[in-house]
Amino acid sequence: DVKVTQSSRYLVKRTGEKVFLECVQDMDHENMFWYRQDPGLGLRLIYFSYDVKMKEKGDIPEGYSVSREKKERFSLILESASTNQTSMYLCASSLMGSEEAFFGQGTRLTVV
Amino acid sequence: DAKTTQPNSMESNEEEPVHLPCNHSTISGTDYIHWYRQLPSQGPEYVIHGLTSNVNNRMASLAIAEDRKSSTLILHRATLRDAAVYYCILRTQGGSEKLVFGKGTKLTVNP
Repeated sequence: DVKVTQSSRYLVKRTGEKVFLECVQDMDHENMFWYRQDPGLGLRLIYFSYDVKMKEKGDIPEGYSVSREKKERFSLILESASTNQTSMYLCASSLMGSEEAFFGQGTRLTVV
Repeated sequence: DAKTTQPNSMESNEEEPVHLPCNHSTISGTDYIHWYRQLPSQGPEYVIHGLTSNVNNRMASLAIAEDRKSSTLILHRATLRDAAVYYCILRTQGGSEKLVFGKGTKLTVNP
């Protein structure tokens, strides 16, 4: 079974902290994605990576950066967390050219 | 990215068929139609995809209009476990493999 694992299910951070959300997949997928999900707004793409060290901005990259040093790991970084970044964060991965993406269980981040 | 339009919500009764519509009037010839669903407290999961012809799998059927400007996800017999948000997404073959979701349709299944 494909597994996409997000490091934390719940996280509480303070305003101004640097926050790292980690995502690991075990199926050698080229593509990895970070989304945030807020009530009434659906899933919004933050960043997409199609290979190690390669990335594309999604619809809402402001306030976020990403790191993909190894194929299996895709990190989302909040340089200086703010309360409006309180959200559910979802990571996904897929094989290049594949129809199906696999999602992690999500990290619910609260910034206080 | 080509856009899709779905109703915000739909209701169904258990064991009845459900037809979830999606409009994609700006679809291009190389866009595949994908459907995902998100059960409560879970990440989305793939349901089905197609290009031109209707498709069936163990989860659902996908009916694609002849002009491809709309499609319908069909759940043949809804169960309580089918209550979820259903997302219709277009993905361009050979283009960027970004997956861009809309707001989806929240399906409620009544016992």
